[in-house]
Amino acid sequence: QSVLTQPPSASGTPGQRVTISCSGSSSNIGNNFVYWYQQVPGTAPKLLIYRNNQRPSGVPDRFSGSKSGTSASLAISGLRSEDESDYYCATWADSLSGWVFGGGTKLTVL
Amino acid sequence: QVQLQESGPGLVKPSETLSLTCTVSGGSVSSDRYYWLWIRQPPGRGLEWIAYIHYSGSTNYNPSLKSRATISVDTSKNQFSLKLRSVTAADTAVYYCARDTCSGGRCDGFDPWGQGTLVTFSS
Repeated sequence: QSVLTQPPSASGTPGQRVTISCSGSSSNIGNNFVYWYQQVPGTAPKLLIYRNNQRPSGVPDRFSGSKSGTSASLAISGLRSEDESDYYCATWADSLSGWVFGGGTKLTVL
Repeated sequence: QVQLQESGPGLVKPSETLSLTCTVSGGSVSSDRYYWLWIRQPPGRGLEWIAYIHYSGSTNYNPSLKSRATISVDTSKNQFSLKLRSVTAADTAVYYCARDTCSGGRCDGFDPWGQGTLVTFSS
């Protein structure tokens, strides 16, 4: 069972806006930055969002991140077929003195 | 462009020690801003952070693996390594190495990642 809680699945049609949630606590998300990773099955994860809402160069602005209290969200607008991937949130857990991940959300583009 | 490449045996016998190495190319492990990590992913499951190391030798481990894991860095070879002792079938996973860039207590996320190496266990 993961320290951070994500819905196991999400879906949308091309062009739609989809959000993926990540729920934690005051000792992890509430007190630290949140990161998001995209993983196409069979490949290594790729950094999508860092420090809650920052996009690395090369990541389309269709992807955005936000954080409020002990929860965070990843939003994908203008959904495209190539967005079909697994998405993981991550943060520092003060109680564990280490990094923790959410269980992952499988996004399906219908 | 920094690239990371994992290497190690794909098959390990239960109760033995798993040894993996991550070779860094296009950049140096000996930078004050970088932390070098091992992360694993059991088949069909999520990601689990194992440990990280700074070139100065500073380390940190996942409490659930701390008693069995050792991370080290070899600046002369521009590599860092992971040893996991007393392995069982539960340690079957794709093992990734990655880099984190941190400054002033603010980190930029795990980027880049190696391609990953699958380690399975069989007697």
